[in-house]
Amino acid sequence: KNEVEQSPQNLTAQEGEFITINCSYSVGISALHWLQQHPGGGIVSLFMLSSGKKKHGRLIATINIQEKHSSLHITASHPRDSAVYICAVEASNYQLIWGAGTKLIIKP
Amino acid sequence: DTAVSQTPKYLVTQMGNDKSIKCEQNLGHDTMYWYKQDSKKFLKIMFSYNNKELIINETVPNRFSPKSPDKAHLNLHINSLELGDSAVYFCASSRYRGDGQFFGPGTRLTVL
Repeated sequence: KNEVEQSPQNLTAQEGEFITINCSYSVGISALHWLQQHPGGGIVSLFMLSSGKKKHGRLIATINIQEKHSSLHITASHPRDSAVYICAVEASNYQLIWGAGTKLIIKP
Repeated sequence: DTAVSQTPKYLVTQMGNDKSIKCEQNLGHDTMYWYKQDSKKFLKIMFSYNNKELIINETVPNRFSPKSPDKAHLNLHINSLELGDSAVYFCASSRYRGDGQFFGPGTRLTVL
């Protein structure tokens, strides 16, 4: 079993839909990252969380440390949101453990 | 201005050669990283440097060596390239260990 599990692996939705991507982890962490990888391969850091909730534009990230779970939400989704979204956790020894990613496609 | 830049973007070379990939960040960050993205798209950390000190070194073959001439640069040298080294390599930086990371565009290495 992977230490970081994301779901779903693939997600296709219509423009305007509310999107949720989930991340569960099984190790103790100091922080959790959400990253976005575009089709060309470039990676953008979206959020780094250690507790609570963060919001940036249409993106919201939450984390529940007790349940070892985080969610990334996208409101009013748009085709330009199509990308791979990656959850990564920082273990206590600074080791970064990456999830497999969620491939999101938003259709116009 | 590009925050984290890598050169070259593409690198095609023969097995057994020695090559380098350069990384530069203009963000004034203290920590830089190298990642390898495997064929399944997993990102695995290879190295990170904090103020020119190696702080994480995963189980990476010693054919790979990071070189940091100054805080803004972390270059990756690879000796005796093997077919299995073919991958996309990403450089990243952060203000300090534990802060959010900014990634470079990646370098696609193909070993023939």
